[in-house]
Formats: sequence, C-alpha cells, structure tokens
Amino acid sequence: DAGVIQSPRHEVTEMGQEVTLRCKPISGHNSLFWYRQTMMRGLELLIYFNNNVPIDDSGMPEDRFSAKMPNASFSTLKIQPSEPRDSAVYFCASTHTIRGNTEAFFGQGTRLTVV
Amino acid sequence: RKEVEQDPGPFNVPEGATVAFNCTYSNSASQSFFWYRQDCRKEPKLLMSVYSSGNEDGRFTAQLNRASQYISLLIRDSKLSDSATYLCVVNIRMDSSYKLIFGSGTRLLVRP
Repeated sequence: DAGVIQSPRHEVTEMGQEVTLRCKPISGHNSLFWYRQTMMRGLELLIYFNNNVPIDDSGMPEDRFSAKMPNASFSTLKIQPSEPRDSAVYFCASTHTIRGNTEAFFGQGTRLTVV
Repeated sequence: RKEVEQDPGPFNVPEGATVAFNCTYSNSASQSFFWYRQDCRKEPKLLMSVYSSGNEDGRFTAQLNRASQYISLLIRDSKLSDSATYLCVVNIRMDSSYKLIFGSGTRLLVRP
C-alpha cells in the first residue's frame, strides 16, 4: 500500500481564494482525521470521520472550513475564503479502529501559505 | 485547558544521557495512549503504544498512570538520531469510534 496520500504537497494562494486539500486514506481504514499544525498551536484536530460519516467537527475553526468524505477512499478539506492566518501544514491520517488501540498513519502533509 | 498537555522543551542533552518526558491528559474517557515521533518537516510516526503495565522497547520505556492521568517516556543512552519532537497521543472513546488527540509535542535536541 502506498500509505496515506495527500495533495498538493505545497500550496501558495492569495487571500480570499478557495483552497481544496485532498486525502486518500489507506485502503481498509475506516477512520480519517484532518489535523492542522502550526508552531504556535501544535497539532490540532479539525475533524474526523468514521465509516465516511463526520463524527466530530468541533475543531473546525470557523465556517470558512468544510470537509467531506464522499466515499471510503477520498476526503477533501476546503477553505473558502482563505486568510493568511490559515497558513499551516495540514495533515490527514487514517486508522482502522479495533478497540481503539490502533496506529494512525499520516500523509506527508500539505504546506499551505496564504499571502 | 488543553486535553493533552506537554512541556514544549526543548530538552538539550548530551549523547548518552537519559531523558524523560511527561504528558498529562484531562479526559477520563481516554482509552489508549501512544507516543509519536515527528522529525523536522515530516509527518508524525508511531514510536510506541503505552500499556497500563508499562512497556519497554530497547532504549525507550513508556509508563501510564491512570489515577493521575499522566504518561511518561524515558529514553536511555540518547543518540544524536533521537533528536526530534515527541508527541503524546490519547485515544478517546466516542460512541462507536475513537478520537485521536495529540499534545503539542516536546522537542529533544541531543548534542555530541
């Protein structure tokens, strides 16, 4: 398996533009997590899905952020409109939940810069 | 208050030193615990799970204290290659799924 695949690896965009980040989880994994990492705030959980259903989106900073998981092999995180404070590394991770004692595998992240 | 708290460091130690990190968590529904390692500009990767009885993997020892709600990681005989950020992770049961919460990480610098 190729692991968790995220795209793009780097994104530079202007303030106000829409940004879409993509994630392909490991085949067979049933939980998918979106995290945002900054120096100031560390690794923050934004939202997670279980069996393609959003379970907890309390970490999504505001309405400008939305996430979808239309099927088991694909998820998107969208920011519209983007702002400079959204600049961060966005990670996607997937796991297969077996009694909660499971390893999460991360993608390589998308480094977003909003200018 | 953050759900998972760690001292950000950095811990700056010489090669061969023993270093310990602690982590506290606030949610008593936490089911399982892990330490992840993150190298600069890379994604986090699992270092080891933390079991109630404590567990050891080579130079690394992890301990869990449920009563006090803290987790520790001990690294013996530090190597230069141990320099990284160590993330404490808590898995919280949410109905039929689990939510992974990461601490902000403790940075370790091992010097020659």
